[in-house]
Amino acid sequence: AQSVTQPDIHITVSEGASLELRCNYSYGATPYLFWYVQSPGQGLQLLLKYFSGDTLVQGIKGFEAEFKRSQSSFNLRKPSVHWSDAAEYFCAVGDGGSQGNLIFGKGTKLSVKP
Amino acid sequence: DSGVTQTPKHLITATGQRVTLRCSPRSGDLSVYWYQQSLDQGLQFLIQYYNGEERAKGNILERFSAQQFPDLHSELNLSSLELGDSALYFCASGRGGGNQPQHFGDGTRLSIL
Repeated sequence: AQSVTQPDIHITVSEGASLELRCNYSYGATPYLFWYVQSPGQGLQLLLKYFSGDTLVQGIKGFEAEFKRSQSSFNLRKPSVHWSDAAEYFCAVGDGGSQGNLIFGKGTKLSVKP
Repeated sequence: DSGVTQTPKHLITATGQRVTLRCSPRSGDLSVYWYQQSLDQGLQFLIQYYNGEERAKGNILERFSAQQFPDLHSELNLSSLELGDSALYFCASGRGGGNQPQHFGDGTRLSIL
């Protein structure tokens, strides 16, 4: 069965520092991969997606993610974190086919130190 | 603004009761997905409708049901509520395929007393 693992429950970084959030997936075929961000009291906002092609994908708010098939990973990165990036980040894999429901990781909560 | 509207934002009710959560998808989206977010289970897929028909089922309890109406809005019905049903319920909409992103509403927070 498909699954997504986000090994880090909570990460704290200083403002201006670089960020990498880890995501590993288990999926039999070529996965459809997503990163979402959830701010407190709000819904999930799509940051970026990977379907095929270039393995480095750019998203909104200066985020990027790299798909590495050999490592079954889709890590999210940002070169310089802003205080407004504090939120919870979810990696998800699409269930493919005509259905398309998402399977989410448990999330990584990001705190930003001034 | 994702374009997905969920009402109500908050619901407080008692055990044994029944509630209905409503979702209006983004304009042009035919698919509606329901997810439950709780502290212990995380984000779990419940059910998907596509253009009025049920397309996929996830970890949805028998006490829960959903439907999608001709105008594409959807309702999630939760009955015989238990304390453990307290959670944030999200609706998402999309074009329907596995390679299509989903756009989430702000959720309905359900509290069972």
